[in-house]
Amino acid sequence: DTGVSQDPRHKITKRGQNVTFRCDPISEHNRLYWYRQTLGQGPEFLTYFQNEAQLEKSRLLSDRFSAERPKGSFSTLEIQRTEQGDSAMYLCASSFSFGLGLETQYFGPGTRLLVL
Amino acid sequence: SQQGEEDPQALSIQEGENATMNCSYKTSINNLQWYRQNSGRGLVHLILIRSNEREKHSGRLRVTLDTSKKSSSLLITASRAADTASYFCATRKETSGSRLTFGEGTQLTVNP
Repeated sequence: DTGVSQDPRHKITKRGQNVTFRCDPISEHNRLYWYRQTLGQGPEFLTYFQNEAQLEKSRLLSDRFSAERPKGSFSTLEIQRTEQGDSAMYLCASSFSFGLGLETQYFGPGTRLLVL
Repeated sequence: SQQGEEDPQALSIQEGENATMNCSYKTSINNLQWYRQNSGRGLVHLILIRSNEREKHSGRLRVTLDTSKKSSSLLITASRAADTASYFCATRKETSGSRLTFGEGTQLTVNP
């Protein structure tokens, strides 16, 4: 399977715990994105990387959230001191940018987080 | 906050009928894209229309874009039960870098 993969697919944690999600993009895609989606809503942008550089962060990405893409390949999204409001589906997407703004973002299956 | 707003929020039709979903947005865009999401799963890209295009076709899909009204429509012809899913429009702004801004989606149910 050469699509975007995410791990784990489901995560249940207690409030206050830290969680980390991983995303493996499509090989050779230079851009990687994180979105969050709550029930009944569309995805909301969190952050994106071009290679290993984090180029844009949403105001939704509070200090408790950190994302990395250390070698420009896979990425991790960590949430510290989780809160019940963090419960959502976390979606990763990747694309290859030609610089024209017309690239397609390919999404992974998502990680569903439930904070108790 | 979401830029796009889809209309209707939910649509139920019979197999073989056409389904039309609308999307409105607020700012100038580089392009507008439509995605499909099956229940609880990732999004699948359907079609991209550039800001200088007015209509685009892909198989049973027809997308229109009216930048003067800041609106788009997605038409699915001869619908099938397998088309049952949520449909989202997403815009890429002219000046926002790479992010997509999604609407709240239309839940389409195609009854066999």
